[in-house]
Amino acid sequence: NAGVMQNPRHLVRRRGQEARLRCSPMKGHSHVYWYRQLPEEGLKFMVYLQKENIIDESGMPKERFSAEFPKEGPSILRIQQVVRGDSAAYFCASSPPSLPPSSYEQYFGPGTRLTVT
Amino acid sequence: SQQGEEDPQALSIQEGENATMNCSYKTSINNLQWYRQNSGRGLVHLILIRSNEREKHSGRLRVTLDTSKKSSSLLITASRAADTASYFCATDAWDNAGNMLTFGGGTRLMVKP
Repeated sequence: NAGVMQNPRHLVRRRGQEARLRCSPMKGHSHVYWYRQLPEEGLKFMVYLQKENIIDESGMPKERFSAEFPKEGPSILRIQQVVRGDSAAYFCASSPPSLPPSSYEQYFGPGTRLTVT
Repeated sequence: SQQGEEDPQALSIQEGENATMNCSYKTSINNLQWYRQNSGRGLVHLILIRSNEREKHSGRLRVTLDTSKKSSSLLITASRAADTASYFCATDAWDNAGNMLTFGGGTRLMVKP
């Protein structure tokens, strides 16, 4: 059973371009979390999604950032018109569809490192 | 793969008792971080301890780091029912392209009132 997959692992974008980060949860998992880690800091929660629904987006910047988790395919974190301050590592985690989701079974992906030049 | 290994995997205590969770890792690190997650919520960052620090306190939390043993412990004193959650350690290490954060499997703590 493959773990949580994220791609690309490294992404370089120029200021003003769009960045798309993908997260494929573990097989059978229907809950996805996205986090951002700035250099030398801890993770910060961004958004929590279930299939086709955003459950909690309290950590998402109000502008330029969006996330989706369609019925089919990976979850996408989209950053429009990137700025240098968006340079960070972005992690996703997935958990299975228990109610409530079992935090003990949360699995993390390897992260995508975004560099904005 | 997850570098950090937390133990125990599950811990059940009475309110007022202390809870100790341990984390071991394999490679050299820049810092080690502890996180908490309530069921169904995202992670909350608790504390970061740098590789040149040995102990750090934050409220009822005390974290120690022993780089010679590649291990860390999180102590929660005078536990409360609201401390019931899963606790994760994460190691932050350099790779050729920058930081790499790796999580352990977590310790599930239950504090009984």
